[in-house]
Amino acid sequence: GAVVSQHPSRVICKSGTSVKIECRSLDFQATTMFWYRQFPKQSLMLMATSNEGSKATYEQGVEKDKFLINHASLTLSTLTVTSAHPEDSSFYICSARGGDTGELFFGEGSRLTVL
Amino acid sequence: AQRVTQPEKLLSVFKGAPVELKCNYSYSGSPELFWYVQYSRQRLQLLLRHISRESIKGFTADLNKGETSFHLKKPFAQEEDSAMYYCALSFRGSTLGRLYFGRGTQLTVWP
Repeated sequence: GAVVSQHPSRVICKSGTSVKIECRSLDFQATTMFWYRQFPKQSLMLMATSNEGSKATYEQGVEKDKFLINHASLTLSTLTVTSAHPEDSSFYICSARGGDTGELFFGEGSRLTVL
Repeated sequence: AQRVTQPEKLLSVFKGAPVELKCNYSYSGSPELFWYVQYSRQRLQLLLRHISRESIKGFTADLNKGETSFHLKKPFAQEEDSAMYYCALSFRGSTLGRLYFGRGTQLTVWP
């Protein structure tokens, strides 16, 4: 099946710094990718829809200036957590549609810890 | 607003016993429902979707619009079914892949 890869898998940063997380579709092109956030022992919360070549569409309550999304190519979407604070610590997961069926494939997730 | 509810955080059964993971949703339109599974140390993957009406790994799920439910069932659980199961909903007509997840149910199948 199609593979979606995220990098880094873990990142620790100081409060106030910005962190970039990459999501790549390795063997297919994805015009649309999705970013989720998962708190410990809770559900995945859809943050935004990343559209190649255009602005991302954010879900209600998600700060677009806080979570910058760029989808500059058909195989790469990036999520930048700007001026990170401890409350931004979370597990961030991306997904992309691929293959003939348009099935959704998920990345392995990126764990962000803000000190 | 909570769109997908999975009432059980944890569910344990013995091997060979039937298992049912509950999922209820709230949406007035025509939803598309999915079950995703996450095995230990692996990424999330699609198990089945209601429009396919398939049986995957012995699991089935029927969309009951009257009860707004999409419960996942398997008549005889196996140890390898132990995993985290998420019910998810997509709004028909919205961007395909825009999913809203329940909180998940951790299934443990004892030998």
